[in-house]
Amino acid sequence: KNEVEQSPQNLTAQEGEFITINCSYSVGISALHWLQQHPGGGIVSLFMLSSGKKKHGRLIATINIQEKHSSLHITASHPRDSAVYICAVRGRWGGADGLTFGKGTHLIIQP
Amino acid sequence: GAVVSQHPSRVICKSGTSVKIECRSLDFQATTMFWYRQFPKQSLMLMATSNEGSKATYEQGVEKDKFLINHASLTLSTLTVTSAHPEDSSFYICSATDRKTLNTEAFFGQGTRLTVV
Repeated sequence: KNEVEQSPQNLTAQEGEFITINCSYSVGISALHWLQQHPGGGIVSLFMLSSGKKKHGRLIATINIQEKHSSLHITASHPRDSAVYICAVRGRWGGADGLTFGKGTHLIIQP
Repeated sequence: GAVVSQHPSRVICKSGTSVKIECRSLDFQATTMFWYRQFPKQSLMLMATSNEGSKATYEQGVEKDKFLINHASLTLSTLTVTSAHPEDSSFYICSATDRKTLNTEAFFGQGTRLTVV
């Protein structure tokens, strides 16, 4: 079973700062997801990665398959970015496999 | 983008009663739907994998007779918590994968916060 570790668990930063959240996993995967969970519980999928790098607005996600490591970056952070960010991996069976989740990083951006 | 609708979003029920949660894929056919559970301050955990027309596959430690899953069509899966107890109080969320592209984005429902009193 895959072990997914995220760091840091909690992060408080000032508006405008560059944010990095890290994720490592123990077993080979078919894809890695970065998710955003809001206080009500709803989950939004930010990225799905199987290699390389993806960018969407101020968010950038990278993955190194050999090192079993991924990072999520937020540039020019804003208070509305405050949320829990979760790394999740999907096993080698792809869409037939459920996700294994990290514990999440609770991000607070102060104005 | 693809939408997964889950309801109810919140439910409070009495101990011993059953609660049904629905998960629908609105604009795509879902080969597989997943049910997850999240206890306070814990990570999401996979409960079961639901494939259309076949029995669900449950994760270790999840009682199949207590958490009944029905995936009767390619757009609907239901989770019924039977004889609910306070320890079943949790956040339940479903996710679906698109029939056309198996290894795809994770589309999540809005989640259901269940409180058993």
